[in-house]
Amino acid sequence: SAVISQKPSRDICQRGTSLTIQCQVDSQVTMMFWYRQQPGQSLTLIATANQGSEATYESGFVIDKFPISRPNLTFSTLTVSNMSPEDSSIYLCSVGTGQPFSGANVLTFGAGSRLTVL
Amino acid sequence: SQELEQSPQSLIVQEGKNLTINCTSSKTLYGLYWYKQKYGEGLIFLMMLQKGGEEKSHEKITAKLDEKKQQSSLHITASQPSHAGIYLCGAVFTVPSGGYQKVTFGTGTKLQVIP
Repeated sequence: SAVISQKPSRDICQRGTSLTIQCQVDSQVTMMFWYRQQPGQSLTLIATANQGSEATYESGFVIDKFPISRPNLTFSTLTVSNMSPEDSSIYLCSVGTGQPFSGANVLTFGAGSRLTVL
Repeated sequence: SQELEQSPQSLIVQEGKNLTINCTSSKTLYGLYWYKQKYGEGLIFLMMLQKGGEEKSHEKITAKLDEKKQQSSLHITASQPSHAGIYLCGAVFTVPSGGYQKVTFGTGTKLQVIP
């Protein structure tokens, strides 16, 4: 399965600022997924980043707040814009190789970026 | 109510004991993942199940998906301190297309194993 590196691993940010999280994969993947895990909560899918096209956002998430870039098949960024304390969460990127649930395909996650907004 | 419910929310067991974590869906699944989350390590893949009645094992962990594909269980035999962490089930409800899959995660079960 793919190996994912996320940066930063953690950060403390001021209200109103923006932060960009990077996700680097050691192999080429078609789709990358960005999740959010709020304190004490489970993971929620924010958006899907497909190389060469606009990201697809899930209900409740908008591009102005969470712009995503996907410049190539091994890299993506998620920006959390105009942050408020409610944005304090762990943000995780994940990738799947091949068709889901087929053969050895596994949905792999990065270690996450833990953001605290003051 | 939640689409996916996990129980129990937390569990403390003595080392060597067996335990079971349940994941119940309000509707039929296409497939299901089990992950373990440890602080600073992201999600560690354990199993994926897709067929009704399917059962998979890896080391001391067994996962099952019922015939109706609405309930899954994760069973740990002879628990060890290394099993401690948060266990998450993740369901895919719609047929994946072109590599896209939306995983809905359960609320998690926090497991502590006392030596």
